[in-house]
Amino acid sequence: DVKVTQSSRYLVKRTGEKVFLECVQDMDHENMFWYRQDPGLGLRLIYFSYDVKMKEKGDIPEGYSVSREKKERFSLILESASTNQTSMYLCASRQQGADGYTFGSGTRLTVV
Amino acid sequence: GDSVTQMEGPVTLSEEAFLTINCTYTATGYPSLFWYVQYPGEGLQLLLKATKADDKGSNKGFEATYRKETTSFHLEKGSVQVSDSAVYFCALTRIQGAQKLVFGQGTRLTINP
Repeated sequence: DVKVTQSSRYLVKRTGEKVFLECVQDMDHENMFWYRQDPGLGLRLIYFSYDVKMKEKGDIPEGYSVSREKKERFSLILESASTNQTSMYLCASRQQGADGYTFGSGTRLTVV
Repeated sequence: GDSVTQMEGPVTLSEEAFLTINCTYTATGYPSLFWYVQYPGEGLQLLLKATKADDKGSNKGFEATYRKETTSFHLEKGSVQVSDSAVYFCALTRIQGAQKLVFGQGTRLTINP
């Protein structure tokens, strides 16, 4: 089975900390995505990457950055965590040109 | 910009009831349309999709028809089961351009035995 693995299911961090969320896929997909999921708002795109070392801002990039040094790994970075970044974060990957996205199980981040 | 609107939840039904979850979209051109499902504690899974007008996607007893004239993609199931309890997301992606998935707000469905 193809897989997208997010390194942590639950994280608790303090305000102002630098936070790294890691995502690894084993499908050799070119495209990778970071979404955040909030009740009543659905999933909103933070950043995505077409390929290694490439990144594009999504709809809500403020307060976040990303890194894609290897094809299989896409990291989301919260430069200085704030309480309004408490959310569920979902990573996804996709073969370039294909319809299907594969999602990870999500990381529930709480910033206190 | 592109957007997806789903019916407000939560939705609670009894087992074997008929289900409809409404979804409408706004997009230029001819987007592909999807329904994703999220079971408790899990990520999203693709439930069904349709890539052109009048296409019907189906899977696990669920169906949705791509209606360009009403810009809709309503999800239906004739007889729901307790195991269908989940959050359902309608989504679209455009064939050209960035091909990002744009999601609706999600509808939580609970089926009681």
